[in-house]
Amino acid sequence: QKEVEQDPGPLSVPEGAIVSLNCTYSNSAFQYFMWYRQYSRKGPELLMYTYSSGNKEDGRFTAQVDKSSKYISLFIRDSQPSDSATYLCAMSATGTASKLTFGTGTRLQVTL
Amino acid sequence: ETGVTQTPRHLVMGMTNKKSLKCEQHLGHNAMYWYKQSAKKPLELMFVYSLEERVENNSVPSRFSPECPNSSHLFLHLHTLQPEDSALYLCASSQGTGNSPLHFGNGTRLTVT
Repeated sequence: QKEVEQDPGPLSVPEGAIVSLNCTYSNSAFQYFMWYRQYSRKGPELLMYTYSSGNKEDGRFTAQVDKSSKYISLFIRDSQPSDSATYLCAMSATGTASKLTFGTGTRLQVTL
Repeated sequence: ETGVTQTPRHLVMGMTNKKSLKCEQHLGHNAMYWYKQSAKKPLELMFVYSLEERVENNSVPSRFSPECPNSSHLFLHLHTLQPEDSALYLCASSQGTGNSPLHFGNGTRLTVT
């Protein structure tokens, strides 16, 4: 079993839709959770960073962590074509950058 | 130049060649990383250089050799690679190796023929 599971997609949604991207994990020690966005032919960029359980909101993006279910989500409201990218979840037990475990990424396509 | 810059953007090399990938960060960070990104696989940490630690993933073959002459520059020397080494190689930097986020370059797309 992989330590972090993420559906690779692709996920195709119409502009304006609410998007839900998810990761499940098996290591109960994980408590730092991140979402990275990677555009085609670019490197990943940090989108959201959360610690422990709960929600964090930043504009159209909401990160949600449910440690009891070992499940994290990224919600995108009013999706735009510019949101089309691959979204990578990442997590660690200590927050140490060198100890991050990444998901495989979900490719999202927002269509006009 | 700002951020993390990687050169070359694309590299095609034969199995007997020797080449090097270069990374430079202009963020004043003191930790630098090499990651390998293959299709349908998670990002794989290869090497970390920082004041606090130097980490090597023990599963990385010796045909990959890192060099970090200072906190702004990082190299990945390649020799006698295999076709399965074809991937996107990403450099990243951070301020320390604690909770600081990673800043990635745009990668070098390597093809081994």
